[in-house]
This record gives sequence, C-alpha cells and structure tokens, in this order.
Amino acid sequence: QQQVKQSPQSLIVQKGGISIINCAYENTAFDYFPWYQQFPGKGPALLIAIRPDVSEKKEGRFTISFNKSAKQFSLHIMDSQPGDSATYFCAASHTDKLIFGTGTRLQVFP
Amino acid sequence: DAGITQSPRHKVTETGTPVTLRCHQTENHRYMYWYRQDPGHGLRLIHYSYGVKDTDKGEVSDGYSVSRSKTEDFLLTLESATSSQTSVYFCAIKTTKLNNEQFFGPGTRLTVL
Repeated sequence: QQQVKQSPQSLIVQKGGISIINCAYENTAFDYFPWYQQFPGKGPALLIAIRPDVSEKKEGRFTISFNKSAKQFSLHIMDSQPGDSATYFCAASHTDKLIFGTGTRLQVFP
Repeated sequence: DAGITQSPRHKVTETGTPVTLRCHQTENHRYMYWYRQDPGHGLRLIHYSYGVKDTDKGEVSDGYSVSRSKTEDFLLTLESATSSQTSVYFCAIKTTKLNNEQFFGPGTRLTVL
C-alpha cells in the first residue's frame, strides 16, 4: 500500500514533442506529490509538486495532472528539449516521509 | 543546493569494514534524511531524523545506524559493510515551509568490494 508505481522505465522523445510520465499510488492518505529531476552524477532536484485538492499545476513547460479518483498523477513536459534529458522520479508523501517511484529515464533527441 | 554537503563523495572499502558517511547542513533544518539509490529501485529511505538525538527507521534500515548529536550533522554508519550496500547515498533536508519540500545533497558513491 506504500508503493508508488512509475511508468515508463525509459522514454525517447524528439525535440519539440511532449513527454509524459505516469505514476499511480494506493495509499489514499498521501497528500503531497512532488516530481524530481536528476542529472547524472547529481542529486535529485525538486521540479514541481501538487496537492490533491487541485487537478492540475503548471510551471513553464512542466505540468502535473492529478486524478484523485483514479489515484494517478502524471508529468507532462511540453516542447521537450535536449536539456530535459534526465531521470525523473515521482514521489508521494504522508507525514514526514517520501515514497519514490522507480524513475523514468528521458532522452530527448534533436 | 539548500546548503547540504556530503563527505566523502566517493569511497571504496572492503567487506566487513565499518564506514561512516557524513551529511552537513548550514540552514538549521530540523528534518534530515538518508536515502540509497539503486538502479530499478529509485530512492529508498534508510533512516531519518526529526531533531537532535531523534531518529527513526525507514524502509531499508537493516545494516545501517545513524546519529545526530548536532543540528547540522547527520551521520550514517555501516557497522560492517557488505557488497549489497554498494550504492549511491543521498542526504536530504526537509523545509518546514508550507509544502514540506525535501532537498537533496550531491550524494556519496560507495563501493564495497
């Protein structure tokens, strides 16, 4: 019940395309859903986050869509750029701990 | 980088030896965390601390211990390292702002031969 399932494991997108990464959770007590971006050799960096009282949050080219009834949330990267090539992790939180998905390696080709 | 440093950044050690990793923060955050990152597993919580001398176990705590004697330092110890503990270890802090975001340090790559 504590798991966060993330898909796909890897994603290849052409420059200018839309990248979509999906996550699903079971624990309805989760109340905070962040996405992290990680470049090789670096620590994960907080990208964008959402709480379940809203269905969508947009920051620049990055959008989180949240479906509370389906217990799913997704990250959309519009106009994907080669600089977006990284590993992305979704996570979910209740109280003080984060539970992470297994990650998606995104490659954006010119 | 939320003022987080980790040391050492790289370490190679032998099975059975003790290893201590250090996380240092400069912004007086109450919460600190240790994670390990392995391919196919994402990040998994080892231990966390919610104040000086206050710690709790995470998902993968077996074989690890922690200590926090000062707000700024959170130590992770492998009492007797095993090859299964070869991993990248990340420290994180949690802000106490509205959304309780966690920010990560640069990581320590540990290899146990």
